[in-house]
Amino acid sequence: AQRVTQPEKLLSVFKGAPVELKCNYSYSGSPELFWYVQYSRQRLQLLLRHISRESIKGFTADLNKGETSFHLKKPFAQEEDSAMYYCALREGGGTSYGKLTFGQGTILTVHP
Amino acid sequence: KAGVTQTPRYLIKTRGQQVTLSCSPISGHRSVSWYQQTPGQGLQFLFEYFSETQRNKGNFPGRFSGRQFSNSRSEMNVSTLELGDSALYLCASSLGPGAYNSPLHFGNGTRLTVT
Repeated sequence: AQRVTQPEKLLSVFKGAPVELKCNYSYSGSPELFWYVQYSRQRLQLLLRHISRESIKGFTADLNKGETSFHLKKPFAQEEDSAMYYCALREGGGTSYGKLTFGQGTILTVHP
Repeated sequence: KAGVTQTPRYLIKTRGQQVTLSCSPISGHRSVSWYQQTPGQGLQFLFEYFSETQRNKGNFPGRFSGRQFSNSRSEMNVSTLELGDSALYLCASSLGPGAYNSPLHFGNGTRLTVT
């Protein structure tokens, strides 16, 4: 069975500092990886997906199949980045489009 | 475009009762999934529906069930409620099969409290 691990429950940085939220996964096939974010009092929303190789709000994430990781990075953190971040995996092959396996989440706090 | 809509937002029920939660997906989305979110277990997949058929099911007891209607709207039902069923129940919709890498879009959730 697939598994997603986010080793840090809490992460605190100062504004302008680099930030990296770690995500490791275990899955025997070819996964689809996502980062979701939940700001205070808002719904869970998609931040990034590995297939798009895009940068959203200054965040990037690279899928490293050798290390089975999908770490989320931002070179200069902003206070508005404070939120709960979830890494999620979907089985490849297009048969489990609605089923995501989530990590436990990391609460990021960016101090002024 | 309206987002995923879940009703009601809050529910308080007593042990042994049953409850029905409703979800309206984004227009054009045909896949609906349900998740349970608790502080201890995090986000856990309950089940997924497409074309009125359950496609995937998570590791939950049979007391948890769901259905999808022809307009893609979905309901989930929990019978014989237990205290441990207290949680935030999230609904998510996506385009469904054929839309590679279609992400899930989540609703605000229904907060269920069992007393």
